[in-house]
Amino acid sequence: QVTLKESGPGILQPSQTLSLTCTFSGFSLSTYGMGVGWIRQPSGKGLEWLANIWWDDDKYYNPSLKNRLTISKDTSNNQAFLKITNVDTADTATYYCARIGGGETLDYWGQGVMVTVSS
Amino acid sequence: DVVLTQSPATLSVTPGERISLSCRASESVDTYLHWYQQKPNESPRLLIKYASQSISGIPSRFSGSGSGTDFTLSINGVELEDLSIYYCQQGNSLLTFGSGTKLEIK
Repeated sequence: QVTLKESGPGILQPSQTLSLTCTFSGFSLSTYGMGVGWIRQPSGKGLEWLANIWWDDDKYYNPSLKNRLTISKDTSNNQAFLKITNVDTADTATYYCARIGGGETLDYWGQGVMVTVSS
Repeated sequence: DVVLTQSPATLSVTPGERISLSCRASESVDTYLHWYQQKPNESPRLLIKYASQSISGIPSRFSGSGSGTDFTLSINGVELEDLSIYYCQQGNSLLTFGSGTKLEIK
């Protein structure tokens, strides 16, 4: 059974760095073809893809946010991470991690973690 | 960037209707087009992959078609539990999502 769960700080101030953790089970990021992606959704708005990381440590970023994003993984502990630097109120959203299947399908999603940026 | 345009933004439906939702890509994405359902206060759920391939556990009333730039998600006999927002997503060039179609009761 595949499960994913996101964790984060809840609230942070503008200009700080947001650190998110995705803890998963039921698959391994050391297995050929496996990947984890991060997606966010401001309240009442649509989905925005942020970044992917793959079993071979390949990384891909949303071009509009690339300068602020860093994705990484800890294969031995079944975790993936996302850092967003220099946050502002526009980064307030629910952040999801998801397993990436073939064709960049997001076949399993976490429950999401709400992050608020406020002074 | 590949832009996905979904229409309509909102669709009012009567239970039992057959409906179609559209997703149009700004350039060809082959069949790397996937559909998700998001119910209120829930995470998105994968409905259809590669434009037309079914997903285990998803009711058979959901189907998808299309390739290249024009795609359709159909629901044959809408049920009340289908009231959600539906998103398309392409995986041919990085990832992008459409803006969604909200299904509501007429």
